[in-house]
This record gives sequence, structure tokens and C-alpha cells, in this order.
Amino acid sequence: EVQLVESGGGLVQPGRSLKLSCVASGFTFSNYGMNWIRQAPGKGLEWVAYISSGSSYIYYAETVKGRFTISRDNAKNTLYLQMTSLRSEDTALYYCARSRNSGPFDYWGQGVMVTVSS
Amino acid sequence: EIVLTQSPTTMAASPGEKVTLTCRASSSVSYMHWYQQRSGTSPKLWIYETSKLASGVPNRFSGSGSGTSYSLTINSMETEDAATYYCQQGSSYPLTFGSGTKLEIK
Repeated sequence: EVQLVESGGGLVQPGRSLKLSCVASGFTFSNYGMNWIRQAPGKGLEWVAYISSGSSYIYYAETVKGRFTISRDNAKNTLYLQMTSLRSEDTALYYCARSRNSGPFDYWGQGVMVTVSS
Repeated sequence: EIVLTQSPTTMAASPGEKVTLTCRASSSVSYMHWYQQRSGTSPKLWIYETSKLASGVPNRFSGSGSGTSYSLTINSMETEDAATYYCQQGSSYPLTFGSGTKLEIK
């Protein structure tokens, strides 16, 4: 069974940093691209970042480019999102999701909440 | 960036009613994916590559479209279909979602 489990969220002050993790199981992690997608409270879905299976290709949404860094450790079956210079508008539930290249997001985690507030 | 516009924003349908949700892209895309999100849960892949049903999706659902216009149709609405549906394009980065259609049971 495919499982994606996010962690690392919490309450953080504006301008500070936070690192999210997503541990994958039930599939060969190194064969798949991975994504971070977020959902602000009561709002729709926003794609945040993508990393290819071997980390060769990385893409970001303009809203986070230069502030967020996506990475992965295939030996640990873990995806990361390093978030810096956090803003109130980054407050959201952050999901990790599996995909093949720019294909559909076929499995999603349960999400981890990030709240940016003083 | 390709902007996806979904309509309607919200709608209510009676059991047995036929329902069509639409998604229009600001530029032509190769295909569209659709996700279902029930309240308080993670989104689920529902339809991929315009018309292929994800595993476990009832065959009363179908998808169609091309270019800039796509749709998701429910042949006969059931209570369990009440949810928010999002379209998503994977033709170019940044990947984008529509703002969603909230479908309620009447």
C-alpha cells in the first residue's frame, strides 16, 4: 500500500524558516517524481514544487521561488521542503504527492499544517 | 502560466440527475486531470489524461475535452459524489489547478 506521511509543520513567526518532511512507503520511491502542493484554509489547491526521481529536474511556483527548496533522499525514501522567509500567505496545509514527470498526482499524503503568524 | 477556470463555482444536484462540470484553460493543453476532495480529506485522483478513470472510480463518471475546454460528467448523481472537484493541467510548468467546483446534493 502506497503511503506518504508528512511531518514538520507548526506555528512559525514571519521571516523564520521551517523544514517539512514526507516519508514514502509501499512503492519504489526512487522511480517517481514528487511534489509539494498546498491548500490555504478554506481555499483551493496550489502546486508548490516538483522534483524528478533523480533530482535532475526541479520546478517551483513563482510564489515560492527563491524562498523554498525541494529536495529528496532516495536512500531514506524521504522528500523535503525547506521553507525560508515565511510569510502569512504561506499559511496552508501542505501535501506531498507522487507523480511521474508532469503526470497526475496519483497518491497524496494526509497533509501537514503550517501557520505563519506572530 | 496557464490559468484554469472552472464553472460553476458551486452547484446542487438531485440524486439521479446528470451533472456536468467544466474547466477552461487560458491556453491549449494536451490533457486534463481531475481530483475529488471530500470535506476534511486529502484530494484523490479521479480522472486522468482527460478521460481515464482512476482506480475505484465509478463508471457513472466520465471525462472529455480537448484544447482549452474540458468537462467532467456524472451520469446519475449519487449522495457520495458530493465533494469539490478540481481540474489540473500538466502540460507546462508551473502546474496549475482550477479553483474548484463544489458539488452538493439537493
